[in-house]
Amino acid sequence: EDQVTQSPEALRLQEGESSSLNCSYTVSGLRGLFWYRQDPGKGPEFLFTLYSAGEEKEKERLKATLTKKESFLHITAPKPEDSATYLCAVQARGYGNKLVFGAGTILRVKS
Amino acid sequence: GAVVSQHPSRVICKSGTSVKIECRSLDFQATTMFWYRQFPKQSLMLMATSNEGSKATYEQGVEKDKFLINHASLTLSTLTVTSAHPEDSSFYICSARDGGTPSSRDTQYFGPGTRLTVL
Repeated sequence: EDQVTQSPEALRLQEGESSSLNCSYTVSGLRGLFWYRQDPGKGPEFLFTLYSAGEEKEKERLKATLTKKESFLHITAPKPEDSATYLCAVQARGYGNKLVFGAGTILRVKS
Repeated sequence: GAVVSQHPSRVICKSGTSVKIECRSLDFQATTMFWYRQFPKQSLMLMATSNEGSKATYEQGVEKDKFLINHASLTLSTLTVTSAHPEDSSFYICSARDGGTPSSRDTQYFGPGTRLTVL
């Protein structure tokens, strides 16, 4: 069974304090790994798609990396507006476009 | 680009009534749309996958007669919660897959969600 585990469950940072969120996965053939950001009471907002080990993608203060077993979302010099829940999801080969989500990491950045 | 809308954003209904939620892809054609449910402080759980012009595929444990899904066009899918009860109260979110370009074909774009409260 495909599984996604995110850690930590919650993370509190001071503004400017860089850190990383982890997404460990087990999947029967990875088709893609996705990172989303979700604000309270809103739908997830797409951030990145990673397809193969070694791939990296960046957007402003965020950088996502992928290995064969896990993905990291690195946050450099975060700002309070980066506060949100960050969700990781995997898509397995042969299962159409179904996404399996992790429980998420709640990030709070204090000024 | 890749904007998905949902309507209504909030709905309160009495037990036993039916509620319809619309999901629209505004700037792309969505051959596949998905419906998720999210309980407080929990992640998204896939309820069903719908392909335009065909019957929806429901996940194990989801009652197809209770959660009716229609995907009548490439830009519109609807979820009808029939004979709603308080335990159906939840945050319902749809997503759509942009099948138009190779670079975005696997990505799901999510709507803003619908908060359903059944009294």
